[in-house]
Amino acid sequence: DTGVSQDPRHKITKRGQNVTFRCDPISEHNRLYWYRQTLGQGPEFLTYFQNEAQLEKSRLLSDRFSAERPKGSFSTLEIQRTEQGDSAMYLCASSLDRGYNSPLHFGNGTRLTVT
Amino acid sequence: GDSVTQMEGPVTLSEEAFLTINCTYTATGYPSLFWYVQYPGEGLQLLLKATKADDKGSNKGFEATYRKETTSFHLEKGSVQVSDSAVYFCALPQGGAQKLVFGQGTRLTINP
Repeated sequence: DTGVSQDPRHKITKRGQNVTFRCDPISEHNRLYWYRQTLGQGPEFLTYFQNEAQLEKSRLLSDRFSAERPKGSFSTLEIQRTEQGDSAMYLCASSLDRGYNSPLHFGNGTRLTVT
Repeated sequence: GDSVTQMEGPVTLSEEAFLTINCTYTATGYPSLFWYVQYPGEGLQLLLKATKADDKGSNKGFEATYRKETTSFHLEKGSVQVSDSAVYFCALPQGGAQKLVFGQGTRLTINP
């Protein structure tokens, strides 16, 4: 169990640029989640996948955001035309599909700063 | 919608002090309740959970009891250590699929 891995750890970009983050879940986990965390707040749900299917998207996920999990393994989160309000920590988590007896395992996050 | 409210932080205590971090929730029905902890530079990790009313979750000396009468899930520890310094999040699932709603977090600092 190598844990959930996120890349990069930090990303600084200029407003209007596109950015892409990657998440590698724990290998046998079929569920993958993306959350966003701003300073002083708890994580907010963005979207989740069961295998390669994206099953739910939050209203927080504007049309500038897109997430994929093409082979049911790693996932990418892309933000197009970044805005300063997108500055946050983006967290990825994974779990088995066993209800609440299977906890979420979080990565260390990607911190995005939009200047 | 479902929500979680945590006590305002930050909280600063001396080593071996008693800790309480309050958490109350609003939810339809009786969801499972969780405490997650985020140590400096690390991802969130599950600290403890309770799946039904009156259940007590415990781990690493921390405890929390699911109280449906007061809709609370307060986190307690009898004697804190410097290594307990972290941010603590109370959470509950919203809908299915372990989609969690988190409180705003409480930053705890323990001084030697």
